[in-house]
Amino acid sequence: KNEVEQSPQNLTAQEGEFITINCSYSVGISALHWLQQHPGGGIVSLFMLSSGKKKHGRLIATINIQEKHSSLHITASHPRDSAVYICAVYGGSQGNLIFGKGTKLSVKP
Amino acid sequence: DVKVTQSSRYLVKRTGEKVFLECVQDMDHENMFWYRQDPGLGLRLIYFSYDVKMKEKGDIPEGYSVSREKKERFSLILESASTNQTSMYLCASSLARLSGGSYEQYFGPGTRLTVT
Repeated sequence: KNEVEQSPQNLTAQEGEFITINCSYSVGISALHWLQQHPGGGIVSLFMLSSGKKKHGRLIATINIQEKHSSLHITASHPRDSAVYICAVYGGSQGNLIFGKGTKLSVKP
Repeated sequence: DVKVTQSSRYLVKRTGEKVFLECVQDMDHENMFWYRQDPGLGLRLIYFSYDVKMKEKGDIPEGYSVSREKKERFSLILESASTNQTSMYLCASSLARLSGGSYEQYFGPGTRLTVT
């Protein structure tokens, strides 16, 4: 079983829709990251959180430490939000980041 | 802003060639990382370094080596490239991680390597 599971793997939405991407993990963590990767490869860190909720613009990230679960929400989605969203947690044998396989989001106009 | 740069965006090499991928960061970060990213497998850690001349194996170090002679530069070396090393290679850096804490990783733009 993967230590970091994301769902769904692929997601297609219409512009304006509310989007939720989920991340479940099985390792103990000090922090969880949400990353965004646009076509072309570059990865940008969106959030790093260890409890509660963080908001940046139309993006909201929540984490429930007891349930080992995090969600990334996008409100009023836009075609420019189309990207791969990756969840990552600190864990593993060397305490480094363990990545989920990513969720590919496509927002249609 | 933190900037992490990689020497090439696209690279095509022949089987058996020695390949150098270079990564430079400008924020005096202690930690640097090399990952490869493959469809369906996500990002996997090849090697990381937490100080100059220090290196640690990640999850998939076989066929790779690294060099960190200066704090800002971390090189990934494919001693004899093989077709199964065709992949996207991503470098990242971060501040040192204190016990119980963690720091954000900053990624470079990636190098898409094709070995023919």
